[in-house]
Amino acid sequence: KNEVEQSPQNLTAQEGEFITINCSYSVGISALHWLQQHPGGGIVSLFMLSSGKKKHGRLIATINIQEKHSSLHITASHPRDSAVYICAVSGNTDKLIFGTGTRLQVFP
Amino acid sequence: DAGVTQSPTHLIKTRGQQVTLRCSPKSGHDTVSWYQQALGQGPQFIFQYYEEEERQRGNFPDRFSGHQFPNYSSELNVNALLLGDSALYLCASSNTRVVSPQHFGDGTRLSIL
Repeated sequence: KNEVEQSPQNLTAQEGEFITINCSYSVGISALHWLQQHPGGGIVSLFMLSSGKKKHGRLIATINIQEKHSSLHITASHPRDSAVYICAVSGNTDKLIFGTGTRLQVFP
Repeated sequence: DAGVTQSPTHLIKTRGQQVTLRCSPKSGHDTVSWYQQALGQGPQFIFQYYEEEERQRGNFPDRFSGHQFPNYSSELNVNALLLGDSALYLCASSNTRVVSPQHFGDGTRLSIL
């Protein structure tokens, strides 16, 4: 079993829909990360959180430490949100343990 | 302010050859981590360099080695290339004194024929 599990693996949505991507982890962590990867390969950090909830524009990330679960929400989705969204966790060092990613496609 | 830069962007090698990939960290960053991402998978941690030394290592064979230079830039070397080494190699940098997300380069796509 992977240390970081994401669901769903693939997700399609119509523009404007509310989207949720889930992440569960089985190891002790100091922080959980949500990242975005576009087809070219580059990865951009969206959120780094260790408790509660963070919001940036139309993106919201939540974490429940007791349940070892996090969610990434996208409100009013747009075709430009199409990308792979990856959950990762880190411990006492910078080393990241990644999930396999969720491929999101938003259609107009 | 340049972010993390990697070179080359693409590389084609044959089995048994050796390859060197390069990474320049974001300005102000002193720690470099390398990851391997196979097609359709999440990145896997290879190793991390800080103060010119390997600080941590993932589950990769000794064919994978690295180096960090005094200017914090880093190289990843892979010897005796195998078909399974075909992947996107990502470099990420951070500042060890600041709790913040790592910054990633665009990666080097390595294809082994």
